[in-house]
Amino acid sequence: ERVLTQSPATLSALPGEGATLSCRASQSIYSNLAWYQQKPGQGPRLLIYGASTRATGIPARFSGRGSGTEFTLTINSLQSEDFAVYYCHQYNNWPLTFGGGTKVEIK
Amino acid sequence: EVQLVESGGGLVQPGGSLRLSCAASGFTFNSHAMTWVRQAPGKGLEWVSLISGSGGSTYYADSVKGRFSISRDNSKTTLYLQMNSLRAEDTAVYYCAKVNYYESSGYSDFDFWGQGTLVTVSS
Repeated sequence: ERVLTQSPATLSALPGEGATLSCRASQSIYSNLAWYQQKPGQGPRLLIYGASTRATGIPARFSGRGSGTEFTLTINSLQSEDFAVYYCHQYNNWPLTFGGGTKVEIK
Repeated sequence: EVQLVESGGGLVQPGGSLRLSCAASGFTFNSHAMTWVRQAPGKGLEWVSLISGSGGSTYYADSVKGRFSISRDNSKTTLYLQMNSLRAEDTAVYYCAKVNYYESSGYSDFDFWGQGTLVTVSS
């Protein structure tokens, strides 16, 4: 099983600041990684797939990088609506797995 | 507009059964794989099961294999999850999601999700 480890567990930042979230895979998953955003009481929303391709309608301040075992999601200039929990997800191997999540909170 | 609406959740005793449904609209249902993902209270996301567009291929997490069964009715554009032998650790919000597919990578990201339905397993 490909284990995904996200860090930090919680990130505190001010609106307007940037944020970088990390996702590390236990073995190579090539670029078969997606990122999701989840707000309380809602289903997740797809942000990034293929490690670096923004989904339809996702603002350009969200960007993804990485391949193999190391991946990052960067949010430039945090907006109020960006404070949420973010999950990475690998679809390279069965079983499909998610990281434990990073909560981005207002400092 | 893609819409996914889950239903069928509720309170069930340990060892009991429940069937979840996910009504889909806004896309060509039989052309897309579908999946179930769950989230225990205050916890992260856990993939549960996936079914191909035709229904001919199914995949399960080890934690539910042999107890849960995924199916679909393409004529009704509805996805199902039959859950048997339920345990306390199955308590979670269950989400259905639409699965993307690319020739280069096979089954891929989950591009649309429902709002979820809560299943509580307790005596």
